[in-house]
Amino acid sequence: ETGVTQSPTHLIKTRGQQVTLRCSSQSGHNTVSWYQQALGQGPQFIFQYYREEENGRGNFPPRFSGLQFPNYSSELNVNALELDDSALYLCASSSNTPFMRETQYFGPGTRLLVL
Amino acid sequence: DQQVKQNSPSLSVQEGRISILNCDYTNSMFDYFLWYKKYPAEGPTFLISISSIKDKNEDGRFTVFLNKSAKHLSLHIVPSQPGDSAVYFCAASAPPSNTGKLIFGQGTTLQVKP
Repeated sequence: ETGVTQSPTHLIKTRGQQVTLRCSSQSGHNTVSWYQQALGQGPQFIFQYYREEENGRGNFPPRFSGLQFPNYSSELNVNALELDDSALYLCASSSNTPFMRETQYFGPGTRLLVL
Repeated sequence: DQQVKQNSPSLSVQEGRISILNCDYTNSMFDYFLWYKKYPAEGPTFLISISSIKDKNEDGRFTVFLNKSAKHLSLHIVPSQPGDSAVYFCAASAPPSNTGKLIFGQGTTLQVKP
């Protein structure tokens, strides 16, 4: 069974650029959640995708957007990068059902540096 | 507004002794709590969870206690091992039942000395 994978592992961008981060969910999981972890802080929820639809969003501006594909993999897109977007971006997958929350399993993350 | 707080940034214990990590929350709607462990350069690893209908859950060396009236949970590790040295995060979620938004604390760095 393959766990959650993320690419790339590290990325350097300049302010104003756009970035796409990718996540492959664990086998059998239909839900992907994205989190941003700034240095010294806990992860903060960005949004979640369930069966290709956004299923909840945290307090992040619209320039943070996402997609989920039929194979349940996902992308996080960030437009107009700002210096404060520098963080570790974590993807987590789970096998949600309409009535149950299931444990989220995290990937290793993508470390983004915005200069 | 920090809804989940881990007030101790770090904790150091001797190998073989008990480690107790604490977490407080403010949102009374939280009904599901989890602990994750994180090593450097890795993503958080799930350790143990507890539903608000319970006050204790045990899995091997790890036990989580929930005190709903105090809005407090704790993770006990007995006996502590050097491999337990990591950052520990508590997390909480609230209904609706099919969303998985987790609210994390800031983390506590545990060091277990041989």
